[in-house]
Amino acid sequence: EAQVTQNPRYLITVTGKKLTVTCSQNMNHEYMSWYRQDPGLGLRQIYYSMNVEVTDKGDVPEGYKVSRKEKRNFPLILESPSPNQTSLYFCASSPGPPVGKLFFGSGTQLSVL
Amino acid sequence: DQQVKQNSPSLSVQEGRISILNCDYTNSMFDYFLWYKKYPAEGPTFLISISSIKDKNEDGRFTVFLNKSAKHLSLHIVPSQPGDSAVYFCAASRSTSGTYKYIFGTGTRLKVLA
Repeated sequence: EAQVTQNPRYLITVTGKKLTVTCSQNMNHEYMSWYRQDPGLGLRQIYYSMNVEVTDKGDVPEGYKVSRKEKRNFPLILESPSPNQTSLYFCASSPGPPVGKLFFGSGTQLSVL
Repeated sequence: DQQVKQNSPSLSVQEGRISILNCDYTNSMFDYFLWYKKYPAEGPTFLISISSIKDKNEDGRFTVFLNKSAKHLSLHIVPSQPGDSAVYFCAASRSTSGTYKYIFGTGTRLKVLA
């Protein structure tokens, strides 16, 4: 089944404790991206990747890191999480240029205490 | 600076009637627009899209209209069904920018009443 898989689904952590949210897609998509969803703010893009080893900042990249060492994986790294990073996170992938529809994962609810 | 705006946070419609969800954008360079539907505890799922070379695109009960001069797009659902109750996001992108950034609106929660 074609899908984007995120783990974990729920995560509670404390300020400053490094964490990684994994994202994997099995559709051989070139484009992958991370979003956060906050009430009243919709979905905001954090980082995106056009292909392996090619990443770029979205609209809210501060406090996040990403890497794209393999085509299928695009982990989101929070080196030193803070409470304002408490949010619902979504990973998405797309076949790539030209713009195409995004396939989203089920989301990761992160709480930073 | 919200480049894509959905000014109605919520909308209630009777089953069988038409639902119209609206979206405005400010960047005239956007040339590809998408609508996504999101149920609670799930990721958004693609619904329908439209390129700026068109002004209408249909897929079953869903039609998207694009008015480039007004920088406005709308999603029509006819007839509305209770299963359409969800949050709807519009999104815009610039296919020629080389960056492929997607800008989403804040969402409209649709409730279809049985």
